[in-house]
Amino acid sequence: QQPVQSPQAVILREGEDAVINCSSSKALYSVHWYRQKHGEAPVFLMILLKGGEQKGHEKISASFNEKKQQSSLYLTASQLSYSGTYFCGTAPFGNEKLTFGTGTRLTIIP
Amino acid sequence: DGGITQSPKYLFRKEGQNVTLSCEQNLNHDAMYWYRQDPGQGLRLIYYSQIVNDFQKGDIAEGYSVSREKKESFPLTVTSAQKNPTAFYLCASSHLGQPQHFGDGTRLSIL
Repeated sequence: QQPVQSPQAVILREGEDAVINCSSSKALYSVHWYRQKHGEAPVFLMILLKGGEQKGHEKISASFNEKKQQSSLYLTASQLSYSGTYFCGTAPFGNEKLTFGTGTRLTIIP
Repeated sequence: DGGITQSPKYLFRKEGQNVTLSCEQNLNHDAMYWYRQDPGQGLRLIYYSQIVNDFQKGDIAEGYSVSREKKESFPLTVTSAQKNPTAFYLCASSHLGQPQHFGDGTRLSIL
C-alpha cells in the first residue's frame, strides 16, 4: 500500500520553513526522500534507516519515527531552488523494493 | 562518468504496436527498476530485477514485459495489451537497499 504524504501541495515565500510528512500503514525499515523538478528525473536527498539517527545536510533534514511508521522532511529557510515535488519511498525490509508516496508539490516564491 | 542512460527521450506508439524503451547503466548496480509516472502522480513500479536473468512484477505489470540478460541493461517493452500507455517512464538502478539513481526518462505518447 502506498505511503501517504501531506500536505499535497504548499506554497512558501523564500526564507520560510516547510515540513513534509510521509506515513505508512506498514512497519518500515527504511525511508528514502527524493526531489523531482518538472520534467526531470528524481534526485536522491537522503535515506533514513530503522534505528538510525536523524539525517540532514545544509538546510534539509529528516526524521524517522519507527513506532508511528512515519517520516518528516524539514526544509529550513527555503530557497528558490527547493521548488519541486518531493517523494518519499518506503521499504519494509533492507533489500526490498521501494513504494513511493504520491508526492508533495513545493513552490517557493520570491 | 557513471550513470543511467534511457533512450529515446520521446517515443510515439501506433495502435497495436509494441515499443521497447532502453535503459543502460554503468554503475555496476545489481538492481534495476522501471517506473511509470502519470501527470501529477507519484511513481508506480512496473517491474524490477535484483539479479541478472531474474525479475519480478511490480504493482502495474500488466501490458509490459522486461528482460535482464546483462547486468547493465534492463529494457522495457510496452505491448499492445497496455491500453493506456501514455506516460513518463523512468528507469532506476541501485545496490540492494541503497538509494536509487534515475535516468532522464522516456516520454511515451500515442499517435
